[in-house]
Amino acid sequence: ELKVEQNPLFLSMQEGKNYTIYCNYSTTSDRLYWYRQDPGKSLESLFVLLSNGAVKQEGRLMASLDTKARLSTLHITAAVHDLSATYFCAVGVRAGGTSYGKLTFGQGTILTVHP
Amino acid sequence: DAGITQSPRHKVTETGTPVTLRCHQTENHRYMYWYRQDPGHGLRLIHYSYGVKDTDKGEVSDGYSVSRSKTEDFLLTLESATSSQTSVYFCAISESRRETQYFGPGTRLLVL
Repeated sequence: ELKVEQNPLFLSMQEGKNYTIYCNYSTTSDRLYWYRQDPGKSLESLFVLLSNGAVKQEGRLMASLDTKARLSTLHITAAVHDLSATYFCAVGVRAGGTSYGKLTFGQGTILTVHP
Repeated sequence: DAGITQSPRHKVTETGTPVTLRCHQTENHRYMYWYRQDPGHGLRLIHYSYGVKDTDKGEVSDGYSVSRSKTEDFLLTLESATSSQTSVYFCAISESRRETQYFGPGTRLLVL
């Protein structure tokens, strides 16, 4: 059974600081997604990472994937208040050499950026 | 935004009553999913569909059934609602099983 763990679960940052959210998963997978969710809203897709060493960047967010370590990171550079949200990683289920549509989500990291 | 709507957006019901939630898409995507979101659990997959009349169970399928008679509609039914099914339900769609899943606005369900 695929397990996905994020840490930290709660992150309080000051504006202008850098920090990293970690996403560990327990079994082989071939794709990893990062989503953002604002309070009371739906999930917004941020990144999809499909291969070992993949790195994607958008604004102050950068995501990377190490499939050998079964680890993805979401790095926040010079945080601003608008980045306050909950961030989820999600890992695609793969079994018997087949990729399935099923995703297993981490618990989410609640990020609060203070002035 | 992906063309996904969910109805109703909010519902209050009583234990033991049947409830059906609807997901409608205008993107003609093959794959559709139902998730529930609860504090401390992230999102958990209930059921998904990989085509008309083709469905499969997810992680937390007990107490739920689904149907997909048209590409654009995916229905989630709680045959006899229980308080443990109080949650926020999200529908998602994707073009293929490896493509990004896009989420609908969600339905807040309260079972009293």
